[in-house]
Amino acid sequence: DAGITQSPRHKVTETGTPVTLRCHQTENHRYMYWYRQDPGHGLRLIHYSYGVKDTDKGEVSDGYSVSRSKTEDFLLTLESATSSQTSVYFCAISSPLAAQEQFFGPGTRLTVL
Amino acid sequence: GEDVEQSLFLSVREGDSSVINCTYTDSSSTYLYWYKQEPGAGLQLLTYIFSNMDMKQDQRLTVLLNKKDKHLSLRIADTQTGDSAIYFCAVWPNAGNNRKLIWGLGTSLAVNP
Repeated sequence: DAGITQSPRHKVTETGTPVTLRCHQTENHRYMYWYRQDPGHGLRLIHYSYGVKDTDKGEVSDGYSVSRSKTEDFLLTLESATSSQTSVYFCAISSPLAAQEQFFGPGTRLTVL
Repeated sequence: GEDVEQSLFLSVREGDSSVINCTYTDSSSTYLYWYKQEPGAGLQLLTYIFSNMDMKQDQRLTVLLNKKDKHLSLRIADTQTGDSAIYFCAVWPNAGNNRKLIWGLGTSLAVNP
């Protein structure tokens, strides 16, 4: 299995509080992604990174920011959490040397009350 | 924009073959993938096919690609209860610097004993 960990695995927070989710990889892959998964919506890309300090928006980026100061870490921040951000968040990585295969972390279940 | 569609549910009897279908809109798709998600877990790459291939077989899995109709299918032979999961179709719209995949909503496969 690809070395991807996500922390925390579960979090319950209140509306209006900031939340940071962490994705850590040991594969030295260049590309990293944050997705959210919701019933009826499948996987939706929030942000992705194509290198240290290089990030770009996905299809549902409003209300989220990301940072990547090291190859191995990709942080997703909800500046002021809302109930609509209750979801399961997945991090993924891929290597430019592969057939764009994405390897997924175990997910973080976030509940915003 | 690019779109990937798949039926949401499929139910089969143990021992039968399962066929999960997917259609996509972008004819420039280079790689096409099937991912599996078991309950409470992240997605795991099952197999992928390059656009210059019509078929790929890997043990119980057979992938068929019809580029003319933009149709991708995954056949699972001798389906087992452990195959119960959500199966996602995804495509890489083009090669080069765009590293974002386009995802279907997933097909939930139920295998009945």
